[in-house]
Amino acid sequence: DAGVIQSPRHEVTEMGQEVTLRCKPISGHDYLFWYRQTMMRGLELLIYFNNNVPIDDSGMPEDRFSAKMPNASFSTLKIQPSEPRDSAVYFCASSAGGGNEQFFGPGTRLTVL
Amino acid sequence: TQLLEQSPQFLSIQEGENLTVYCNSSSVFSSLQWYRQEPGEGPVLLVTVVTGGEVKKLKRLTFQFGDARKDSSLHITAAQPGDTGLYLCARSTAGKSTFGDGTTLTVKP
Repeated sequence: DAGVIQSPRHEVTEMGQEVTLRCKPISGHDYLFWYRQTMMRGLELLIYFNNNVPIDDSGMPEDRFSAKMPNASFSTLKIQPSEPRDSAVYFCASSAGGGNEQFFGPGTRLTVL
Repeated sequence: TQLLEQSPQFLSIQEGENLTVYCNSSSVFSSLQWYRQEPGEGPVLLVTVVTGGEVKKLKRLTFQFGDARKDSSLHITAAQPGDTGLYLCARSTAGKSTFGDGTTLTVKP
């Protein structure tokens, strides 16, 4: 079975550009999470969805960040405009029934120049 | 606020040595998870501990949950280079997980 799929795996962009990260959760999972990982701040939860509805977006750093989940098999995280301090690895994870085990994707390494 | 403190932050050992890493909090966990993250990959769940005093074993890895459910440890026996990675503990509340900063383990052949 396919795990969580993220695209792109690597993204290099210039400051001010729009960036869109994509995630396909594991089929049947009803929770989806977006995390950001940096050396300085570790693994931070940005936002999570339950049944496609955003439940907690308190981790979203600022209005430049937005996330959508139009259906059960797809979610996007958008940064507009991007800034160098947004450079990080962004992970998507999914779980079933809000259980303790989360399944992570391979991540998108974002570099903003 | 950092709810979970992991120590040590970095650990570099030779193949065959034993090691223990720790996860501590000032508040009680309902459950605690340990994940391992290899370079270039996402974290992968190793174990969930729920009951105070619980001990779980996964091959050469032994996980212990403190009696008061405020701390946990991970002990690796006879470490191998394949054990290299970032070890993260996490607590879950209402489906949402909070992670510690992790222990970066390097096992040299």
